[in-house]
Amino acid sequence: SQTIHQWPATLVQPVGSPLSLECTVEGTSNPNLYWYRQAAGRGLQLLFYSVGIGQISSEVPQNLSASRPQDRQFILSSKKLLLSDSGFYLCAWSGTRLNEQFFGPGTRLTVL
Amino acid sequence: DQQVKQNSPSLSVQEGRISILNCDYTNSMFDYFLWYKKYPAEGPTFLISISSIKDKNEDGRFTVFLNKSAKHLSLHIVPSQPGDSAVYFCAVRRGNEKLTFGTGTRLTIIP
Repeated sequence: SQTIHQWPATLVQPVGSPLSLECTVEGTSNPNLYWYRQAAGRGLQLLFYSVGIGQISSEVPQNLSASRPQDRQFILSSKKLLLSDSGFYLCAWSGTRLNEQFFGPGTRLTVL
Repeated sequence: DQQVKQNSPSLSVQEGRISILNCDYTNSMFDYFLWYKKYPAEGPTFLISISSIKDKNEDGRFTVFLNKSAKHLSLHIVPSQPGDSAVYFCAVRRGNEKLTFGTGTRLTIIP
């Protein structure tokens, strides 16, 4: 069966510090991968998605970047965090059945 | 521009009664519609879906209704149970494009 992992579960970082959140998927190959952010009182905002290694599409201009160094690994990064980067970050994957996305447990990021 | 709207940010329902969650979308080209349920500090989980060729899909206590002319989607939960308390997101898709999520509705079931 397929599983998706995200770490860390929670993170508190000072403004201006770098960020690296990691997501890995097991039990499937060539998944579509997604990074979402759920900010307080708001819905799920798609940040990045990837259909293959090295292929990243950005949905909104922002302080963040994404990379996919391996087929089942998706990384969300920032060189310098802003206060507005605080939120709940979710990684998700979908297979050939694009109708469903499967989400990871999420990372709660607080930027102080 | 928000293509998918859930106009009620929160909803409280007595246990045993029916919960009705609503979702409106703007693009008539969307052809697949989903509902996700999210508990605090967890990722959303898929609940139920419907394609545009149907107007109703039922799975146990959960029924999704689609009104294409009104561009309106609803989720009915009956009877509501305390474990149903969560944030519910609707999501829409066109063809093979990515999902677009609504803003979510927090459902609280009152014992």
